[in-house]
Amino acid sequence: TQLLEQSPQFLSIQEGENLTVYCNSSSVFSSLQWYRQEPGEGPVLLVTVVTGGEVKKLKRLTFQFGDARKDSSLHITAAQPGDTGLYLCAADFGNEKLTFGTGTRLTIIP
Amino acid sequence: KAGVTQTPRYLIKTRGQQVTLSCSPISGHRSVSWYQQTPGQGLQFLFEYFSETQRNKGNFPGRFSGRQFSNSRSEMNVSTLELGDSALYLCASSPLMTGGYGYTFGSGTRLTVV
Repeated sequence: TQLLEQSPQFLSIQEGENLTVYCNSSSVFSSLQWYRQEPGEGPVLLVTVVTGGEVKKLKRLTFQFGDARKDSSLHITAAQPGDTGLYLCAADFGNEKLTFGTGTRLTIIP
Repeated sequence: KAGVTQTPRYLIKTRGQQVTLSCSPISGHRSVSWYQQTPGQGLQFLFEYFSETQRNKGNFPGRFSGRQFSNSRSEMNVSTLELGDSALYLCASSPLMTGGYGYTFGSGTRLTVV
């Protein structure tokens, strides 16, 4: 069974600070997606990464796909209250389904 | 274009009853996947349908079933409800199987079993 571990599980920081959340697996995955979920809503896709070592930027968010294709990170610069939410990674392990990580619940304090 | 529509948004059922949830995907998307989300287990894969065929099934008992219609709309059914079935049920649509290029999720159906 492939598992995706996300860390930290909870993170609470002040507005304007930087942060990084991590997504790790013991198995290689072919692609990885990051989602953000707000209370009462479904997850919303932020990015898909498919190439080992790939870095993608989305405004203040930077996503990195590890060279070994077993890990990924999400870095947020100058966090804002609108960044608050549950961040989920999801990987394709080649078993015909997307496996979701355990999630990082982020709170940005104004 | 319209997003993924799930109905109903909220449901309260009694143990032993059955329930049917509905999902209308984005127009043109042929893949519909269902996930169960709980605080303890996170998002767990239930099943995926593509062109009316179940392509993959997660590790859930046979009480959980689904189907997809020719217009890509999907339903999932849970029979003989248990308290542990209380969860947010999420439907996700994609143009490709296995969420290739990413899923678009609906807002979910919050099921409470009492």
